[in-house]
Amino acid sequence: QSALTQPASVSGSPGQSITISCTGTSSNIGTYNLVSWYRQHPGKAPQFLIYDVTKRPSGVSDRFSGSKSGNTASLTISGLQAEDEADYYCCSYSSTNTSVIFGAGTKVTVL
Amino acid sequence: QVQLVESGGGVVQPGRSLRLSCAASGFIFSSYGIHWVRQPPGKGLEWVAVIWYDGSEKNYADAVRGRFTISRDNSKNTVYLEMNSLRAEDTAVYYCSKLYSNYDWYYFDNWGQGTLVTVSS
Repeated sequence: QSALTQPASVSGSPGQSITISCTGTSSNIGTYNLVSWYRQHPGKAPQFLIYDVTKRPSGVSDRFSGSKSGNTASLTISGLQAEDEADYYCCSYSSTNTSVIFGAGTKVTVL
Repeated sequence: QVQLVESGGGVVQPGRSLRLSCAASGFIFSSYGIHWVRQPPGKGLEWVAVIWYDGSEKNYADAVRGRFTISRDNSKNTVYLEMNSLRAEDTAVYYCSKLYSNYDWYYFDNWGQGTLVTVSS
């Protein structure tokens, strides 16, 4: 059972925008702006998309954006493309045992 | 470019030990910490352990603390994960990942392709 809650699946048509939510608690997302997001294609290693809630590492498309409100962080993918079909994981620092925790993942389907 | 290559996975009986290696290249290895993250078949990601760039600090997930030990050899550009008292629930693909920044140890920048560990009798 993950400490961060994500929807199991989200879908959208090419060109549309979708948003994936990630809900935690005051021990993680609610207190710390240390949220990151990762994309994982089947059989591949994860890719780093977002850090510090809203920042993008060099080379990541500006179609990916992050935000946070209270205990919930969100990842928005705009201009949805076929290559965005993948699993997406949120991640946060947790003051519980000074650890890092992931969400269970959200499968994004491009219709 | 940055490259991380894991090795050492395989099939092991419950209660036995296994050592994984993560060989790095393409960056100044001695300047970056390294994580281990695992992913059980068909399931999500789980952080396992982290070691600072100089090995001075280490941190572990509760699920492995006391059984797993992370270490590094900067002369060989390699990080290790010694896994003892293995259980069926340790079955997973194990990835190593370079820290994005030593100031923010909670982010996973580049990743290897992973090595599969199967704990089964």
